[in-house]
This record gives sequence, structure tokens and C-alpha cells, in this order.
Amino acid sequence: AQSVAQPEDQVNVAEGNPLTVKCTYSVSGNPYLFWYVQYPNRGLQFLLKYITGDNLVKGSYGFEAEFNKSQTSFHLKKPSALVSDSALYFCAVRDIRGGNTGKLIFGQGTTLQVKP
Amino acid sequence: DAGITQSPRHKVTETGTPVTLRCHQTENHRYMYWYRQDPGHGLRLIHYSYGVKDTDKGEVSDGYSVSRSKTEDFLLTLESATSSQTSVYFCAISPDRGGTEAFFGQGTRLTVV
Repeated sequence: AQSVAQPEDQVNVAEGNPLTVKCTYSVSGNPYLFWYVQYPNRGLQFLLKYITGDNLVKGSYGFEAEFNKSQTSFHLKKPSALVSDSALYFCAVRDIRGGNTGKLIFGQGTTLQVKP
Repeated sequence: DAGITQSPRHKVTETGTPVTLRCHQTENHRYMYWYRQDPGHGLRLIHYSYGVKDTDKGEVSDGYSVSRSKTEDFLLTLESATSSQTSVYFCAISPDRGGTEAFFGQGTRLTVV
């Protein structure tokens, strides 16, 4: 079965500290992995993706993610958190069941709170 | 933001009434999707389309139907709304089924009373 898990409902971090938002996945074959961010009352905004190549992927707003095939993880990271990073973060994987039509399977989301 | 417009943005409706949500894109992307967002569930796929008049069911399709008569429009219909369909609905578009990311609309908050 294909699935995505975000084990933490909420992550709290102080401004200026590094942050990590965790994501693990289960797929058959090579995964296409994505991170999205949602600010209050807004749609989802794309942050970054892993398709192939370098395991460290850099994205928007200083975020990066590390693909680890052996641990089936794709954790989102940022070296120095900002209060404005506070939002809801979603990890997603391309769903290829029934053929690849670009469908996504999402994790349940992790709320990031960055405190001044 | 990608050219996606959802309408209406907010709607309150009564149980048993039909409701249609509209997604309009100006990007000429082939693939369009309807997801619902509920606390603790993330986003779940309702229906998707891979071309004009080509649609298929997603994970939570019961009680919903869709239509795509033009490339730019993807309609989601709740045939007879129920309280369990109270949710935030997001439309997404993608140019291909490979590594290109999907782009999301602003969402429609639907309340069924």
C-alpha cells in the first residue's frame, strides 16, 4: 500500500533555531516526493520536491529536504527558523496505483509554531 | 500564483440539497484534481481528470460526481449534501503526471447544516 506519515501533529521551535518536520513514506518503486506549506485560509504552496538525483533538495524560503531511501524518509529542514515560517506543512508522494495520473497522497499535516 | 480560481470561496447549504463547486484554470494544464481537507486526514483525493470528458474516482468519491466539458473547467457536484461533506475543498492542476508539482487553488469552505 502507498502511504505517507507525518508522525508529529505539531512542532515547536524558537526563532533562529534549526527546524525539522518529519515525513516517512511507503511506495512501490521510486518515489516522487513533495512538500507543501499552507498559511491560514490559503491554498497549498509548493516548497520543494525530490524526483531523482541529489538526496539533498533545496526549495523555496530557505527550506531543504533530505531524501533517505534506506529509512524511507523525506524530512523537511531549515537551518534558522523564522516566526513567519509558522504554518501547516504537508508531505506528499505521487500515487501510481491504477496508473500514474499525477495523483498525490498526503500526510496528515504538521503544524509548525515558531516562537520569538 | 498559478491561474486557478475556485468558486464560490464559501458556501453554507442545507442537508439534501445539491451543490456544485467550480474550478477554473487559465494554464491549459491537462490534469485537474479535487481534494478535500479535513483535520487529521490531510488532503484526500475525491476525483480527478486527465483530459476533457476523462475523469476517474479517487479515494473518497462516494457522494460526489465531476464533469469536465472544457480544458479549463472542472466541476465538483455533491448530489445531495450531507453533514459529513462539510469540509474545505481544493482544486489542483498539473501539466503532466511526472515530476512536475501540482498547483492548488485557494479552496472552498463548504458547510452543510
